[in-house]
Amino acid sequence: DAGVIQSPRHEVTEMGQEVTLRCKPISGHNSLFWYRQTMMRGLELLIYFNNNVPIDDSGMPEDRFSAKMPNASFSTLKIQPSEPRDSAVYFCASSFIAGDLETQYFGPGTRLLVL
Amino acid sequence: AQKVTQAQTEISVVEKEDVTLDCVYETRDTTYYLFWYKQPPSGELVFLIRRNSFDEQNEISGRYSWNFQKSTSSFNFTITASQVVDSAVYFCALSATRPTGNQFYFGTGTSLTVIP
Repeated sequence: DAGVIQSPRHEVTEMGQEVTLRCKPISGHNSLFWYRQTMMRGLELLIYFNNNVPIDDSGMPEDRFSAKMPNASFSTLKIQPSEPRDSAVYFCASSFIAGDLETQYFGPGTRLLVL
Repeated sequence: AQKVTQAQTEISVVEKEDVTLDCVYETRDTTYYLFWYKQPPSGELVFLIRRNSFDEQNEISGRYSWNFQKSTSSFNFTITASQVVDSAVYFCALSATRPTGNQFYFGTGTSLTVIP
């Protein structure tokens, strides 16, 4: 398997534009996570899905952020409209959770810069 | 309040030394999970371990070991015979159960430098 795939790897956009980040989890995994990392706020979990269903989106900063997982092999994180404070590295991870067993595998991250 | 404290901001050790990274958490929940992640200088994130609150057994994986003590609300991580490749920032995290699902709380990380 190719691992967790994220696209784009880098994104530069202007304030007010819509940004869509994409993630393809590892085949067979039943959970998917979106994280954000900034110098100011550190690491944050934004949202996670289990069997394509959002379990907890309380980490999503505000209504400008939305995440979807239409099927087991694809998820998007959308920011509309984007703001400079959204500049961060966004990581996607997937895992197979069975009872107490879990190992998350991370994608390489998308580095977003909002000007 | 839910909180994770990694009091050690930076640690330097000489290769082959053992090193322990501290993690202290606060939660009122009886069911929760604790995690450790590694972030090497390259920037990628690596998941190391997840432990639930009902399992206080120590975990060992090669040179890595974890000591979970509910009595002191700690989940410390020890690297035995450290190597240069262990140089990274290590994050501890807590996942607490909520009616709507779990919420994650991350520590601020401990930057470990292993000197050859």
